[in-house]
Amino acid sequence: EIVLTQSPATLSLSPGERATLSCRASQSVNYFLAWYQQKPGQAPRLLIDDASNRAAGIPARFSGSGSGTDFTLTISSLEPEDFAVYYCQQRSDWPLTFGGGTKVEIK
Amino acid sequence: QVQLVQSGAEVKKPGASVKVSCKASGYTFTNYGISWVRQAPGQGLEWMGWISVYNGNTFYAQKLQGRVTLTTDTSTSTAYMELRNLRSDDTAVYYCARDVTSHRRYFDLWGRGTLVSVSS
Repeated sequence: EIVLTQSPATLSLSPGERATLSCRASQSVNYFLAWYQQKPGQAPRLLIDDASNRAAGIPARFSGSGSGTDFTLTISSLEPEDFAVYYCQQRSDWPLTFGGGTKVEIK
Repeated sequence: QVQLVQSGAEVKKPGASVKVSCKASGYTFTNYGISWVRQAPGQGLEWMGWISVYNGNTFYAQKLQGRVTLTTDTSTSTAYMELRNLRSDDTAVYYCARDVTSHRRYFDLWGRGTLVSVSS
C-alpha cells in the first residue's frame, strides 16, 4: 500500500500569507495525486487533480506541483475561507490512499 | 441537479451490520465509479473501497476485506455499502464519492455523509 505523509500537521498563518503544504509518497505515484479541502461538518472538496490541474471552480490562488514522490499544494494568498484541513490522495495503485491531512489555522 | 443523497444516521450494537445507501441523480449513473470513504471522529479520511457501476468490479481496502461489500442497483441509481461485524472503532461518518471520470479515481462529487455510531 502506498503511504502518503503530509507535513506539517498544522500550519499557523495569517490571511494574505502564502501556504505551502507537502505530501510525500512512499513510492512513486507518477503524477496521479489529488488535493482536497475539508471544512468542519462538510464533505471534502476536490481542489487539484493529477498533481497540478485545478478542478472546476477552484480559484487560481490554489496551485499544485510535483511528481514521483514529492508534491506541494500552494495557496498564494490565504483568504479567510481557506482555513481548513487539506488532504492528498493517490490513484496510482490500489488501494487508493489518503494522506493524514494538514490543518491550516489562523495565526 | 447532480448530487449524491445518502441515507440517514444509524446506531448499531457491536457485532451488527449496517447498510448505507447513496442515491445518484443528475448524471448517467453507469458512467462513473463510486468509492466509499469514512472518517472517524476527529480523524482523517480512510478509503474503504470502490465499485465500477458499469460492470460491478470492486476493490476493497485490505483492512476491511471480508467485512465490507459494495453493490449498486442501476435501476434506482443507488449504491450501497454494507459493513458487517461492527466494532466500536467503526464509528464514523461514511461518505460515498463519485469518480471524476471513468478512469480517474479522484472524487469530484460527494454525498453529505452518514454517521454510523457503534455502541453497546
